[in-house]
Amino acid sequence: KAGVTQTPRYLIKTRGQQVTLSCSPISGHRSVSWYQQTPGQGLQFLFEYFSETQRNKGNFPGRFSGRQFSNSRSEMNVSTLELGDSALYLCASSYGTAMNTEAFFGQGTRLTVV
Amino acid sequence: AQTVTQSQPEMSVQEAETVTLSCTYDTSESDYYLFWYKQPPSRQMILVIRQEAYKQQNATENRFSVNFQKAAKSFSLKISDSQLGDAAMYFCAYRSAEGNTGKLIFGQGTTLQVKP
Repeated sequence: KAGVTQTPRYLIKTRGQQVTLSCSPISGHRSVSWYQQTPGQGLQFLFEYFSETQRNKGNFPGRFSGRQFSNSRSEMNVSTLELGDSALYLCASSYGTAMNTEAFFGQGTRLTVV
Repeated sequence: AQTVTQSQPEMSVQEAETVTLSCTYDTSESDYYLFWYKQPPSRQMILVIRQEAYKQQNATENRFSVNFQKAAKSFSLKISDSQLGDAAMYFCAYRSAEGNTGKLIFGQGTTLQVKP
């Protein structure tokens, strides 16, 4: 069974540009969550999608957005990139239908903003 | 709001020895889940162990066990017979059981070094 796949693995962007990251969950999983990991702030929750609906949202500016497609694949978009957006972005998937389901993580996308 | 605190930024242990990583959390909820995740240099987060707050019995998974003290809001991870492959960053995480969410709240992490 394939795991959670995040693409691309590495990305370098310039300040002011926008970026789209992709996450393909494990087959059958309907919930996808996104996290930002930085040395200073640690792991912070961005948002969670379940069956194409945003179920929960973290405390990030509106430049951060996401969506989920009917096949459960998810994308997150960051517009008007800032240097502080440089981070490892992690995606996690789960069945999402019961409260004690395990979240499986992808290997992340390393975004560098220059 | 819930918070998770890991007070040990770095820990080291000799191979085959036992080490305990500390985690405390703050919540006003009575029902929740606690997790320990491992993040090796490959960056992929791997679930090590899970504890349901309503269960009094401490969870164990092979060489990994937890000491869950609900009243003290403490959730430590014990790794027995440490192996070189245990070297990684370990994160303690909280998830509410109230409301329909899978949102995880993480601590700052503890980097574990295993010495041969």
